[in-house]
Amino acid sequence: LAKTTQPISMDSYEGQEVNITCSHNNIATNDYITWYQQFPSQGPRFIIQGYKTKVTNEVASLFIPADRKSSTLSLPRVSLSDTAVYYCLVGESGAAGNKLTFGGGTRVLVKP
Amino acid sequence: NAGVTQTPKFQVLKTGQSMTLQCAQDMNHEYMSWYRQDPGMGLRLIHYSVGAGITDQGEVPNGYNVSRSTTEDFPLRLLSAAPSQTSVYFCATTTGLYEQYFGPGTRLTVT
Repeated sequence: LAKTTQPISMDSYEGQEVNITCSHNNIATNDYITWYQQFPSQGPRFIIQGYKTKVTNEVASLFIPADRKSSTLSLPRVSLSDTAVYYCLVGESGAAGNKLTFGGGTRVLVKP
Repeated sequence: NAGVTQTPKFQVLKTGQSMTLQCAQDMNHEYMSWYRQDPGMGLRLIHYSVGAGITDQGEVPNGYNVSRSTTEDFPLRLLSAAPSQTSVYFCATTTGLYEQYFGPGTRLTVT
């Protein structure tokens, strides 16, 4: 499984855009990139998944360059409720996707 | 739909005791997993199952057993609890693609 590296923490203010970059230099051809959000005392929650270029949903955008060695999660106009830990995961689809490895994550603090 | 449910929410054990953490899902997903999360850390995979009757080890399986007799249930057994097993345990289920659905967790303390 590809190892990921992401910042330990980030601070932001309400209304700003937050961009979290994840490095995954050893990503394999079959690997997808997935981001999860975790609030204190809760299980992680799926945010977004992508393979290449750009993916957008109602919560976030995911930017993946052509070489796929990194990805950036973009949270537009954050609010206090976006304070959480964000995890970047890389791995295969199918049964192997059940074996995703969670790294340390990025702790995002949104200030008023 | 309840999604993924876990019981109990909290548990305190003495060293050497055994217990079973329950996990149930009503999403009809084939794949289920157990993770543990130590304070300030990411989640680590303990065991997983790709379907009824099939289980396999994850990253940190020692001290834990699982079985999968039905699609819905995936209990995790602690054979002889140790203080190092103090953690929050999460059960998750997925269709096999990337979106995993997590339960609310069981906070276990071993004294």
